Amino acid sequence: EVQLVESGGGLVQPGRSLRLSCAASGFTFDDYAMHWVRQAPGKGLEWVSGISWNSGSIGYADSVKGRFTISRDNAKNSLYLQMNSLRAEDTALYYCARGGYSYGSGWFDPWGQGTLVTVSS
Amino acid sequence: QSVLTQPPSVSAAPGQKVTISCSGSSSNIGNNYVSWYQQLPGTAPKLLIYDNNKRPSGIPDRFSGSKSGTSATLGITGLQTGDEADYYCGTWDSSLSGDVVFGGGTKLTVL
Repeated sequence: EVQLVESGGGLVQPGRSLRLSCAASGFTFDDYAMHWVRQAPGKGLEWVSGISWNSGSIGYADSVKGRFTISRDNAKNSLYLQMNSLRAEDTALYYCARGGYSYGSGWFDPWGQGTLVTVSS
Repeated sequence: QSVLTQPPSVSAAPGQKVTISCSGSSSNIGNNYVSWYQQLPGTAPKLLIYDNNKRPSGIPDRFSGSKSGTSATLGITGLQTGDEADYYCGTWDSSLSGDVVFGGGTKLTVL
């Protein structure tokens, strides 16, 4: 069974950092692009960042560019999101999602259950 | 304000058909594939349609997708109460920033 399990969320003060992790299982991790998508409370979906299978292609939403860094460790079947200089508007449920074989496939399947990040003093 | 425009809500009776529209521009829907997601209350999104009109394994053929120009449409036939959910369209945007963009979501109510 394909499974994605996020961890690392929590309550953090504005300006501080947090690192999210996503553990993948049930598929050949290094065959696929991976993405982070977030959903603020009561709001819609917002793509945050994506990374190709070999980390050769990486992208970020303008809202997080320069503050967040996506990475992956194919040996550990894991995806990461380093979040620095956090702001209140970064408060959201962060989903890890598998992309296609190509970084530009544009679809996400499956999604993890999400990890909640709350930025507040 | 989302890059892709969806109606905030749609409704229909059980057994009926409903369509959900997703409007964009030449930099996104017009030149890229569209995907659709279903988000049941309290759960993670689930892929329903990819590459405009393809269904992943396990998705019933009651769900269909189409695209014309800079708009896309999700169709659901034989509505069931279990279809009550939020539905989102998504695609790449080929503008300078090159992000993936989503619609604002449509709440489907099965009356």
